[in-house]
Amino acid sequence: NAGVMQNPRHLVRRRGQEARLRCSPMKGHSHVYWYRQLPEEGLKFMVYLQKENIIDESGMPKERFSAEFPKEGPSILRIQQVVRGDSAAYFCASSPPVGQREWNEQFFGPGTRLTVL
Amino acid sequence: TQLLEQSPQFLSIQEGENLTVYCNSSSVFSSLQWYRQEPGEGPVLLVTVVTGGEVKKLKRLTFQFGDARKDSSLHITAAQPGDTGLYLCAGISSNTGKLIFGQGTTLQVKP
Repeated sequence: NAGVMQNPRHLVRRRGQEARLRCSPMKGHSHVYWYRQLPEEGLKFMVYLQKENIIDESGMPKERFSAEFPKEGPSILRIQQVVRGDSAAYFCASSPPVGQREWNEQFFGPGTRLTVL
Repeated sequence: TQLLEQSPQFLSIQEGENLTVYCNSSSVFSSLQWYRQEPGEGPVLLVTVVTGGEVKKLKRLTFQFGDARKDSSLHITAAQPGDTGLYLCAGISSNTGKLIFGQGTTLQVKP
């Protein structure tokens, strides 16, 4: 059973460009979470999605950032018009539906390291 | 706002020593998780504690959840260089299930 997959692992963008980060959850997992880790800081929650629904986006900046988890395909975190302060490691985590085994545990992908030049 | 304070932030010890990492909050969490993160990788789940007063052991690692479910500790016995890494505690928000992380403890075990 493959773990959470994220791509690309590394992404370099110039200021003003768009960044698209992809996350494929573990098989059978219907909940996806995105977290951001700035250098020398802990992980901060950004957004929580279920298939076709945003459940909690309280940690995501209101401007330039958006996320989706379509019925088919991976979850996408999109950052428009990137700035240097967006440089960070972005992690995706997934968990199974409530009531299933390990439903309260989140399993993380390897992350995408975004560098904005 | 739920917050987790983790201490110490940095710890450098010799192989064979024991250590304890603490994770404290003024809020109650329904469960608390400990992760270990290697450089360039994502956090890997070590354990989940759910019940107040619960103690779980994973080889040389002992995890404890406080009776009031507001704090937790990780104790490592006879540390080895392979234990080197970033240790993170995280509590699950009762509202939406999102994880609230502590700042992390960077552990270095010297041979």
